[in-house]
Amino acid sequence: AQSVTQLGSHVSVSEGALVLLRCNYSSSVPPYLFWYVQYPNQGLQLLLKYTSAATLVKGINGFEAEFKKSETSFHLTKPSAHMSDAAEYFCAVSDQGNTGKLIFGQGTTLQVKP
Amino acid sequence: DADVTQTPRNRITKTGKRIMLECSQTKGHDRMYWYRQDPGLGLRLIYYSFDVKDINKGEISDGYSVSRQAQAKFSLSLESAIPNQTALYFCATSDFGTGYTFGSGTRLTVV
Repeated sequence: AQSVTQLGSHVSVSEGALVLLRCNYSSSVPPYLFWYVQYPNQGLQLLLKYTSAATLVKGINGFEAEFKKSETSFHLTKPSAHMSDAAEYFCAVSDQGNTGKLIFGQGTTLQVKP
Repeated sequence: DADVTQTPRNRITKTGKRIMLECSQTKGHDRMYWYRQDPGLGLRLIYYSFDVKDINKGEISDGYSVSRQAQAKFSLSLESAIPNQTALYFCATSDFGTGYTFGSGTRLTVV
C-alpha cells in the first residue's frame, strides 16, 4: 500500500526566506509524486510532478522538488517566499503514473510573514 | 466552461436526508474519482472509476455510493447524511497524457 506523510501541518516563514515543505512516501512500486497547492476557497492546482525522469523537478511559481529514493522523500522548496505563496500544500503519490488513484498527505499550511 | 464541473458548489442539508453531488467532465477521460477534504486529514479517496463499467471503493466509502452514468458523468450520493460527512468534496479525472484535473469542489454541510 502506498502512503504519504507530510511533516509539519503548519510552516511559517518570513517573506524572502527559504521555503521547505517536507514529504516522505511509501510505495511498493516506483512512484509518481506530485505537489499540489490550494489557495483559500479554491480547488487544487498542480505545482509539479516527478515521473521517474530527472530527480530534480521544477514547477510553477519558482517551486522545485527533489526525489530522493534512498530517503523516500520528495521535499518542496522555494528559495525566496512571497506573500502570495501563503496556501495549503499537498504531497501525493500515485502507483500508476498519471492515471492511478492519488494518495494524499495531510497537507501543510504555509504562512508567510511580512 | 470548466473541464470538470461540480454541482452544487455549496449545499446545506439535514441529517438523514439523501443528497447527490454531481460531476461532469469535458476532458474525455475514462478515469474519475471522488475525494473528500477535511482539515488536517488531506484528501481521502471515496470512490473511483476507471471506466463506465468499473467502480471501486476507496479508503472511506462507507455511507457513500456512486453512479457512473456515462464517461463524462460521475455522481456521489450520501444515502442518509450525517454531520461528520460535512466536508469539501472534490471530483477529479485523469489520463496518461494530461494527468489529473480537479473540479472546484462542493462544500457540504450536514446539520
